[in-house]
Order: sequence, then structure tokens, then C-alpha cells
Amino acid sequence: GAVVSQHPSWVICKSGTSVKIECRSLDFQATTMFWYRQFPKQSLMLMATSNEGSKATYEQGVEKDKFLINHASLTLSTLTVTSAHPEDSSFYICSASVTEAFFGQGTRLTVV
Amino acid sequence: AQSVAQPEDQVNVAEGNPLTVKCTYSVSGNPYLFWYVQYPNRGLQFLLKYITGDNLVKGSYGFEAEFNKSQTSFHLKKPSALVSDSALYFCAVRDIAGTYKYIFGTGTRLKVLA
Repeated sequence: GAVVSQHPSWVICKSGTSVKIECRSLDFQATTMFWYRQFPKQSLMLMATSNEGSKATYEQGVEKDKFLINHASLTLSTLTVTSAHPEDSSFYICSASVTEAFFGQGTRLTVV
Repeated sequence: AQSVAQPEDQVNVAEGNPLTVKCTYSVSGNPYLFWYVQYPNRGLQFLLKYITGDNLVKGSYGFEAEFNKSQTSFHLKKPSALVSDSALYFCAVRDIAGTYKYIFGTGTRLKVLA
């Protein structure tokens, strides 16, 4: 299957700083990527749809100024958590689709 | 709106026994249904999908799923469970309104006991 690579796998940051998470499609081009957030023992919550060359589409209740998404190329989307706070600590997962969705390995963000 | 439901938070099964993880769906139009598995601190791995065709879909690692239109179900099955199958399983439906947006169920934790 297609490969989606997400980096970093885990990150610890201080409260108030920003963190960038990268999502790359390694062997295919993805005009659309998706960013999810997963709380412990819960399902995936879609945060936003990342569109190459245009603005991301955010789901209701997701702060676009806090979760900045950039999709500058057909193989890379980035999610930047700005001015992170402890409540932003979570597991973030990206996906891109060919015939079905392929997921990155996820990023565990811990804000201290 | 498309949705899927996984009625069981956890399923326990003895190693070697058959397993079933349940999923029901609610969609307008023809459903595009998927099963994914997640191991701790990892992303989701694709197991199988139903788009059209045979109601019994075979997937990775010996898993299969049966699409039942009359019962609006898409249960995941395996004839003989392994301890290594213990993980979190998600059923999903694809939003067919022009995007590849996926809607996930709440997940079912499978525990296979040795």
C-alpha cells in the first residue's frame, strides 16, 4: 500500500511554544490530506482537510488560528500547533488517500 | 449524514477461537466501508474495504468482513484469533460527497487471551 510518513513520532514542548508536525506522502501525490486528533481511548476526531495550494477546511469547533495547516506541495502537509497549552496534548494523525486512506504513524504531543 | 456505530467497547476472545467485531452503518446511497487496526501509539493500518461486489470481503492478516445490506452491518471476523491480534479496531465510512473524508466509529478494543 501507499506510505504516509509523519514526523516527529513524539514531541515534548513547553507551554506557549509552537510545534510543527509534518505529514508526507512518500510514493504518491496527495492533493488532499486530513488531520485527526485522538484522545486517550477515544476515536479519531477529524480536525481539518488540508488542500494543496489553498486554505485548509476546518471542522466545526477547531480553532484555525491555533492549528495552522499548510499544504505547499503535493507530498507535504504541515500542522503547526501555535502557543501550545497542556490541553493541546494529544495524539495527532494525518492521512492521505489513494483508493483508501493511508495513515501516518501519529505524533504524540505533550505540552508541559 | 454518514455514520458508523461500534456497539462494543471491548471484545475478549480466547486464542484460537473465532472473533467478531461488530459495526453497523447509516449512509445515504451506496456505502464505502472500511476496517482499520491501531496498535498502541501508532497510526491506523488498513485491513479491508467494501465498495461493491461480493458481500464477503477478505483482507489483511486473515481478517474478513461481511457486508449485510438488510441489517446495515459490516462485521469484522477472523476464524482463529491470535494474541497478536489484540489491538484497537475502527470501522469507518467514507463521505462520498466528493471528498475522501472518513467518519470513524468509536473503536472496539480486542483482547485475545492466551
